[in-house]
Amino acid sequence: QKEVEQDPGPLSVPEGAIVSLNCTYSNSAFQYFMWYRQYSRKGPELLMYTYSSGNKEDGRFTAQVDKSSKYISLFIRDSQPSDSATYLCAGYSGGGADGLTFGKGTHLIIQP
Amino acid sequence: DAGVTQSPTHLIKTRGQQVTLRCSPKSGHDTVSWYQQALGQGPQFIFQYYEEEERQRGNFPDRFSGHQFPNYSSELNVNALLLGDSALYLCASITDGPGGLAEQYFGPGTRLTV
Repeated sequence: QKEVEQDPGPLSVPEGAIVSLNCTYSNSAFQYFMWYRQYSRKGPELLMYTYSSGNKEDGRFTAQVDKSSKYISLFIRDSQPSDSATYLCAGYSGGGADGLTFGKGTHLIIQP
Repeated sequence: DAGVTQSPTHLIKTRGQQVTLRCSPKSGHDTVSWYQQALGQGPQFIFQYYEEEERQRGNFPDRFSGHQFPNYSSELNVNALLLGDSALYLCASITDGPGGLAEQYFGPGTRLTV
C-alpha cells in the first residue's frame, strides 16, 4: 500500500462547477498536508498547506484534513478552464529532514 | 525576487553516462531537496541538503549524489545512467518558516531522457 493514494482520473467537470479532489494516506506521523498544482511538463506549484486537522481557505481554494479518517480534500469553487492541471497531494511528518510524500496526482479537466 | 531556477531544461544522455543537474533556490532559502518524477507519478524524494551537508536520503542508490555550495545552490549527480533514470528532476527550495520544512517551492525541473 502506498503512503498517499489519489485517484488519477481524469476528472472532467463543466466550468463554474465546484470541484472536489481527494487523497487518503496511511502514515500516522504526517502532520502537514500540502496541495500542489502541476501543469503539463512544468514544476509543481504550491497551492496551500495545512497543519494537522481542520480547514484552510485561500480564495477559491479550500483544503480540509480529517486525521481521524486519514482523508485530505481540496475544493475549488467557480472552476475555470485555467484550473485544468494535475493536482498532487502530499504529506509530511515534520520535525526532521524527510522529504514530502506525494500521491500520483489527479488530472483535472475543466470544460468551457 | 527570482524563483527557483534549474538548468539545463532538457538533457539527453546514453545509458552508462554521467549527468549533473543544477539548482538555485529562492533568495533567503538555505535548504534544497531533490525529487525524481517519473511520467504519470508523483515526485519521489531523493535527498536534502542543508549547510552543505546531505541531511536525509530517500530510497535511491549511491549512483545519485549531490552537493550544496556556500551560496545555497545545489547540484545533483547521477552516475552510470540507466533507462529507468529517465524522468523530470525537481529541485525544491525550502526555508524554515511557519510551515517548518513543509513549505517547499519547486523549480521548473530538468527533463532527463536516457
